[in-house]
Amino acid sequence: GDSVTQMEGPVTLSEEAFLTINCTYTATGYPSLFWYVQYPGEGLQLLLKATKADDKGSNKGFEATYRKETTSFHLEKGSVQVSDSAVYFCALSDSGGGADGLTFGKGTHLIIQP
Amino acid sequence: GAGVSQTPSNKVTEKGKYVELRCDPISGHTALYWYRQSLGQGPEFLIYFQGTGAADDSGLPNDRFFAVRPEGSVSTLKIQRTERGDSAVYLCASSFSGGGETQYFGPGTRLLVL
Repeated sequence: GDSVTQMEGPVTLSEEAFLTINCTYTATGYPSLFWYVQYPGEGLQLLLKATKADDKGSNKGFEATYRKETTSFHLEKGSVQVSDSAVYFCALSDSGGGADGLTFGKGTHLIIQP
Repeated sequence: GAGVSQTPSNKVTEKGKYVELRCDPISGHTALYWYRQSLGQGPEFLIYFQGTGAADDSGLPNDRFFAVRPEGSVSTLKIQRTERGDSAVYLCASSFSGGGETQYFGPGTRLLVL
C-alpha cells in the first residue's frame, strides 16, 4: 500500500538557519503530494502541494519539488523564523489508485530558537 | 466563509459506551473525509464520502466504527462499544469535489475513553 516516510523530530534550529525536512513516498499510482502544518493549538493547514512530477509547490517561503525519480518531496526554507515552529506533515493522495484519502507521514516537530 | 467545524471539541466517555462525533464541512464541498490521529502520529484515513455515499471505507478499523452523511452535508462518525484504544483526535476534512483536491481540516474532536 501507499506510505510516506519523513524524518523524525524534533528538529531544532536557530533563527535564519536553512531548513530541510526529508520526505519520501511509495504509491501505486501517480499521487499528488502535500505538506501540511500544525501550529501549536491550531488545526492542520495546507502549506503547499504539487500534483505532478517536477512541479514545485511554494508558500510562505517554503518550497518542495515533486521528484518522481527519487520518490521524494523534501521541504525547504532558506531562512526560518521563530513563528515557523510547528509540526510538519508530508502526505500523498493517490486518487488515481482508486482511494482518495490522504496518507500521512508521522510528522516532524520543528523548533526554531531565537 | 466558515471552515470545517466539528463538535464536540472534547468528549470523555467510559469503556463500552456509544459516542457520536459530528462534522460540518465547508458549504458546497461534496467530498468529506474522516481521519484519526493518535498522539505523536500522523492522521490515519478512516472513510471518504462523495455526496451521501461512502466511496471508500477501507480505513475503518472494525465494525464498531460507522459513519453517515444522509443529506450530503453534515456527517456523523459513530463508535459503538468504545475501547480505551479508541482514544485519539478525530479529524474531519472536506474538499470541493475530491479527486486529490486540497482537503481543509476541522479542529478535531479529542476523544478520551476511560
